[in-house]
Amino acid sequence: TQLLEQSPQFLSIQEGENLTVYCNSSSVFSSLQWYRQEPGEGPVLLVTVVTGGEVKKLKRLTFQFGDARKDSSLHITAAQPGDTGLYLCAGRNSGYALNFGKGTSLLVTP
Amino acid sequence: NAGVTQTPKFQVLKTGQSMTLQCAQDMNHEYMSWYRQDPGMGLRLIHYSVGAGITDQGEVPNGYNVSRSTTEDFPLRLLSAAPSQTSVYFCASSTVSGGSSKTQYFGPGTRLLVL
Repeated sequence: TQLLEQSPQFLSIQEGENLTVYCNSSSVFSSLQWYRQEPGEGPVLLVTVVTGGEVKKLKRLTFQFGDARKDSSLHITAAQPGDTGLYLCAGRNSGYALNFGKGTSLLVTP
Repeated sequence: NAGVTQTPKFQVLKTGQSMTLQCAQDMNHEYMSWYRQDPGMGLRLIHYSVGAGITDQGEVPNGYNVSRSTTEDFPLRLLSAAPSQTSVYFCASSTVSGGSSKTQYFGPGTRLLVL
């Protein structure tokens, strides 16, 4: 199993602040995905990055894939309470299975 | 489309009891998988299948059995439940085409407590 380390594990911020979540591995991945999970629900895909150095934006969320395809980051600008949830990164190599990080639990308070 | 459905939503078992967690998808996806999610552990792959009649083990398969007789259904069986199997179980599905950009669609989860 290829390990994905996420940091920080927990993050509590106020509405309007910016934050960055990191996903690091010693392994190279062919793609990396970010999911968000709300309490009592299954994870939902936010984005997939496949090219080293790739940057994708989804409204106030910016995702980056490292040049060596071993790490990724998620940056949220002006966080809102609706951003609260568990953010999971997941890497895929040559097979079908996804390897998940342990997640970053984000709480945004008004 | 209902997507990925799981039943039951909640279950309490006694140690040694058996049960089957049901998973069904209506998207004609070839790939289906089962994960367990424990606090601080993320999602860990239990078993997966790339089509009817084909299954394989994931990271934590011990204590669980699966079979895939149809494209739509992928049940997970606990033959003799143990307290260590207390967890939230998620079923997911995806296509097998689409390269590394495949999206996995997750069900809402089954919360299992083994006493």
